[in-house]
Amino acid sequence: EDKVVQSPLSLVVHEGDTVTLNCSYEVTNFRSLLWYKQEKKAPTFLFMLTSSGIEKKSGRLSSILDKKELSSILNITATQTGDSAIYLCAVSQVTSGTYKYIFGTGTRLKVLA
Amino acid sequence: SAVISQKPSRDICQRGTSLTIQCQVDSQVTMMFWYRQQPGQSLTLIATANQGSEATYESGFVIDKFPISRPNLTFSTLTVSNMSPEDSSIYLCSVPSGGRAFFGQGTRLTVV
Repeated sequence: EDKVVQSPLSLVVHEGDTVTLNCSYEVTNFRSLLWYKQEKKAPTFLFMLTSSGIEKKSGRLSSILDKKELSSILNITATQTGDSAIYLCAVSQVTSGTYKYIFGTGTRLKVLA
Repeated sequence: SAVISQKPSRDICQRGTSLTIQCQVDSQVTMMFWYRQQPGQSLTLIATANQGSEATYESGFVIDKFPISRPNLTFSTLTVSNMSPEDSSIYLCSVPSGGRAFFGQGTRLTVV
């Protein structure tokens, strides 16, 4: 059965800390790994990773994929209270031309002032 | 990219009633996904809606409970039928574009 597992499930840090969120997967017909931030209802896109070992970076956020280890990490440096959210990892698979996204359990991050 | 307008944003419904959620996309798309996110849980795929054919439901979800319409390539509806408190969730529509999944604003449903 295809699955995506994230750890930790929740995390509480103070402003300025650096956090690392983990995502591991066992998914057939892997196409890409995606990270989303969910603050209220709709997840917003952060990164899409398809190649192993290439870091994607956007401001204080960065992410890298390890296809050998079937995992990815999302790093957030110098955290701010606005980073408080649920971070979702998703893996896309393509079967017979049909896309499907499998979401992980999410990591709930709370940043304290 | 794709811009998706989803409504209603939230609703409080009596048990035994039905609610229809609408999603309008700003471009033509072949596939549209419907997800449920129960409190404290991740996104679970309910079904994939394809224009011109019946929706494909995931294990644990049935058409009688979650009927879906897809009359054209820019619009879809999901109905939550005969609701119970266990149906209280966030419901999200989503479309793939450029490898990414884009989401509507979500519908927060509370069943009392």
